[in-house]
Amino acid sequence: KAGVTQTPRYLIKTRGQQVTLSCSPISGHRSVSWYQQTPGQGLQFLFEYFSETQRNKGNFPGRFSGRQFSNSRSEMNVSTLELGDSALYLCASCPTSGRADYNEQFFGPGTRLTVL
Amino acid sequence: GQNIDQPTEMTATEGAIVQINCTYQTSGFNGLFWYQQHAGEAPTFLSYNVLDGLEEKGRFSSFLSRSKGYSYLLLKELQMKDSASYLCAVRDSNYQLIWGAGTKLIIKP
Repeated sequence: KAGVTQTPRYLIKTRGQQVTLSCSPISGHRSVSWYQQTPGQGLQFLFEYFSETQRNKGNFPGRFSGRQFSNSRSEMNVSTLELGDSALYLCASCPTSGRADYNEQFFGPGTRLTVL
Repeated sequence: GQNIDQPTEMTATEGAIVQINCTYQTSGFNGLFWYQQHAGEAPTFLSYNVLDGLEEKGRFSSFLSRSKGYSYLLLKELQMKDSASYLCAVRDSNYQLIWGAGTKLIIKP
């Protein structure tokens, strides 16, 4: 099975611009979660989508949004970029919703976003 | 607030044993995960604990004490390839994963 794929792998934007990141989960996985990773901060949860519905949301401003399509692919959008948004954005998929007793998350390689 | 604490960095010698601790304070508990992340790569799953006790998987073991809000990851017979960051994550009452900042493990020959 192919792993989780994310595009693009690297992105450079300037303040005020917007960006859309894409994530394709492992075939058959219906849950996609997004995380922001910065040095020293660890992984910060953005949101989880399951069957096209947002099931959970972290404490990020409304500039961060996402959606999931019927084929389980997911996109994340950040509007009005700020310097502090520079980070590695990871998506992870798993077969079931996070409410299953056991759900190992499979991570993609991430998108490295740099905001200048 | 919710909090996961891990040491920032640890150093160990090839062939030795190392224990990476994780303490947590979360709103509810629905399982604890350990992930390994090599530099520049995605995190990969190592272990899952939901009941107290030790889970052993080859050279890696993970322990959980829910009453103490404490877990550790034990790595035996260390190899150079074990140099990586080790991430502790707790699933809270909303089934949301709360992540620690990670422990960078440096293995020396």
